[in-house]
Amino acid sequence: DADVTQTPRNRITKTGKRIMLECSQTKGHDRMYWYRQDPGLGLQLIYYSFDVKDINKGEISDGYSVSRQAQAKFSLSLESAIPNQTALYFCATSESIGGNTDTQYFGPGTRLTVL
Amino acid sequence: AQSVTQLDSQVPVFEEAPVELRCNYSSSVSVYLFWYVQYPNQGLQLLLKYLSGSTLVKGINGFEAEFNKSQTSFHLRKPSVHISDTAEYFCAVLIWSASAGNKLTFGGGTRVLVKP
Repeated sequence: DADVTQTPRNRITKTGKRIMLECSQTKGHDRMYWYRQDPGLGLQLIYYSFDVKDINKGEISDGYSVSRQAQAKFSLSLESAIPNQTALYFCATSESIGGNTDTQYFGPGTRLTVL
Repeated sequence: AQSVTQLDSQVPVFEEAPVELRCNYSSSVSVYLFWYVQYPNQGLQLLLKYLSGSTLVKGINGFEAEFNKSQTSFHLRKPSVHISDTAEYFCAVLIWSASAGNKLTFGGGTRVLVKP
């Protein structure tokens, strides 16, 4: 079984709709992240959470919100989707070692298309 | 500000030939360095990482990378590629700062196409 899972894997929606992408992990890591991937831009950080009570904005948080429901769950919401949010979205986890972050482990991705 | 540059967006290479993917970063502090691979329609998998110690790092699938602090580079190499190495490769740099905590910055990716 995969350590980091994302649902849905694919989603097509219309402009203005509210969308939630979910991420679950069984790695026992305390840190979780949401990225979006666009061709030629690599991955850009949207939001990250170092524990259930800690939520931080990343580079491109506008238009997105998150919820850390439990240590193992981290959801990304698009309150009112727009076409330029069409992208591949990845969730990642990492553990804290001595206060620092070690390797990040990625989920399989969610392909979101906003029409 | 930190940045990661992958100089080649696409690298075509023949099967069994060597390949080198270039990665340069800008940072004035110590960094951790990673290479990830993304096979078609899949998520990112860790190939290898440099945290400290020997500057030559060996990863999975026969890949290796060398950390060069003076040139701020972390180039990825494989002496003989297979068709199955066709994928996109991402270099990433992890830096800790008092203001932003840990931040992982990705390069734009290099798409490797292995031809028979």
